[in-house]
Amino acid sequence: DTGVSQDPRHKITKRGQNVTFRCDPISEHNRLYWYRQTLGQGPEFLTYFQNEAQLEKSRLLSDRFSAERPKGSFSTLEIQRTEQGDSAMYLCASSLGVGDAEAFFGQGTRLTVV
Amino acid sequence: GDSVTQMEGPVTLSEEAFLTINCTYTATGYPSLFWYVQYPGEGLQLLLKATKADDKGSNKGFEATYRKETTSFHLEKGSVQVSDSAVYFCALSDLGSGGYNKLIFGAGTRLAVHP
Repeated sequence: DTGVSQDPRHKITKRGQNVTFRCDPISEHNRLYWYRQTLGQGPEFLTYFQNEAQLEKSRLLSDRFSAERPKGSFSTLEIQRTEQGDSAMYLCASSLGVGDAEAFFGQGTRLTVV
Repeated sequence: GDSVTQMEGPVTLSEEAFLTINCTYTATGYPSLFWYVQYPGEGLQLLLKATKADDKGSNKGFEATYRKETTSFHLEKGSVQVSDSAVYFCALSDLGSGGYNKLIFGAGTRLAVHP
């Protein structure tokens, strides 16, 4: 296992279209996080999974956003009816489920809404 | 709410120069503090961390000391190399429900080191 992988690396979509991103965490990690990073800013927390349970969602995660982790392994983040303001880098991270275990980040999916 | 403020970049240095990137934080509790680094084309990597006041985190020649009295966690390196060119993010952990680390990041500081 070489780390957290995200697919696709880049996505260009037209405003109003739906997009879905995938994250494959490190295999033994039961915690999974999604962050969003806009240009010139640091990552902002979106949501957190412990195994398949989504335990916290940020206010940034509007009704157009939905995340799943159906079997406690990979996760998907879907954005419906994309807007230009959704353009950002979407980062996935995973960690072991103990205390303040280090989070390992993927390379991200860069979304451009035109 | 909790927040992190770090110095704006870019920081441009010559090789072997001394580096300081300032980071201050606001938190209601006693967070752990982190420095992450993002090299061009790569994901965020943990560089170092400190979990309580007066702890010093260190890695690859970089150091940062958790200063509760000044709410700071400044990153330092005595002699930078061209390979240190990257974006550096200061972060704190806000323990979310279930005790996991919800990271709150600063805006990042780009470092460019020239030969």
